Amino acid sequence: EIVLTQSPGTLSLSPGERATLSCRASQSVSSSSLAWYQQKPGQVPRLLIYGASSRATGIPDRFSGSGSGTDFTLTISRLEPEDFAVYYCQQYSSSPRTFGQGTKVEIK
Amino acid sequence: EVQLVDSGGGLVQPGGSLRLSCAASGFTFSNYWMSWVRQAPGKGLEWVANIKQDGSESYCVDSVKGRFTLSRDNAKNSLYLQMNSLRAEDTAVYYCTSGGSYFGYWGQGTLVTVSS
Repeated sequence: EIVLTQSPGTLSLSPGERATLSCRASQSVSSSSLAWYQQKPGQVPRLLIYGASSRATGIPDRFSGSGSGTDFTLTISRLEPEDFAVYYCQQYSSSPRTFGQGTKVEIK
Repeated sequence: EVQLVDSGGGLVQPGGSLRLSCAASGFTFSNYWMSWVRQAPGKGLEWVANIKQDGSESYCVDSVKGRFTLSRDNAKNSLYLQMNSLRAEDTAVYYCTSGGSYFGYWGQGTLVTVSS
């Protein structure tokens, strides 16, 4: 099983700032088979990024994904008020599909 | 508009059974792998199981093997999760999702509570 470790656990930032979230895999994730999701309190998770760097339909271009192998990054270039949420990475290189534990982006 | 409507959750005693359902609309259901993802109260996301387009293959996480069975009815655009021998640690919101790899569309979730 591929274990995904996200860091930091909590990121305290102000609107307009840049957010950099990390996801590290316990073994190589083949073909960049990594996705990112956003979840706001009381809401359903939303797919942001798949294939490590491809934005899902309707996702603003301030969200970008990068990385390969075992190290992946989600970057939010300028935080908007609606971006404060929990973010999860997820690998689909192998079964079982696994998620990271999440990074909470909170308002500083 | 894509819609996934989850139902069937509730309160069940340890060792009991529940059958979750997911009604899909707005896309060609039979063309997609489908999955269930769960989230325990206040916790993160956990993939539970997925099933191939024609139902010929399905996979699940080790913790539910032998207890949960995934099925689908493409004529009814529906996905099912039969959960037997339920344990307290199965308590979670269960989400029906599209896709077997990453999860593009999500249902609203149905809460399963296993408690005596």
